[in-house]
Amino acid sequence: AQTVTQSQPEMSVQEAETVTLSCTYDTSENNYYLFWYKQPPSRQMILVIRQEAYKQQNATENRFSVNFQKAAKSFSLKISDSQLGDTAMYFCAKLPPGKLIFGTGTRLQVFP
Amino acid sequence: NAGVTQTPKFRILKIGQSMTLQCTQDMNHNYMYWYRQDPGMGLKLIYYSVGAGITDKGEVPNGYNVSRSTTEDFPLRLELAAPSQTSVYFCASSSGGGINEKLFFGSGTQLSVL
Repeated sequence: AQTVTQSQPEMSVQEAETVTLSCTYDTSENNYYLFWYKQPPSRQMILVIRQEAYKQQNATENRFSVNFQKAAKSFSLKISDSQLGDTAMYFCAKLPPGKLIFGTGTRLQVFP
Repeated sequence: NAGVTQTPKFRILKIGQSMTLQCTQDMNHNYMYWYRQDPGMGLKLIYYSVGAGITDKGEVPNGYNVSRSTTEDFPLRLELAAPSQTSVYFCASSSGGGINEKLFFGSGTQLSVL
């Protein structure tokens, strides 16, 4: 079965600090895609960052970066210089062909 | 740009009732999805479609049915509502698979089965 596991139900970080959210997954494919989505209280799903499994270079989008460890099947998200607007649920997701599978999410609280 | 439109936004059903959640997108996307999100939990894939006339089961399809007669519409049918189906339902669409798999989500339907 395709699974995505986020072992941290809740995290908190002080504004301007750095926080890392963990994600591990199962797969039988050699090529696939990984994503981090953000869901603020508005319930909107917002794509934060994405990574192709065949690329060894870690993806970076401004303050967001990933640590992709293919052999370990690990895909963590690092948020630098945390902002109050980063407060949200964060979902890790994996794409085998045709369907995006989500983890259970990590609730991140950024406090002043 | 309307994007992905879901109706209704809220609904309360009695046990055993049936209803259809509507989803339509105006971006000519081939891929469409239905997810449910239970309180404090992640999204679970119910059904998905890779094009008109093609549907497939996701992680939690029991109790639901879908159809995809057109590219734009992907309705989700609950035949005999049960309390376990109380959840927030999200419809989503994308142009295709791969790294360009940017999902466009609808605003969700809050469903309560009492």
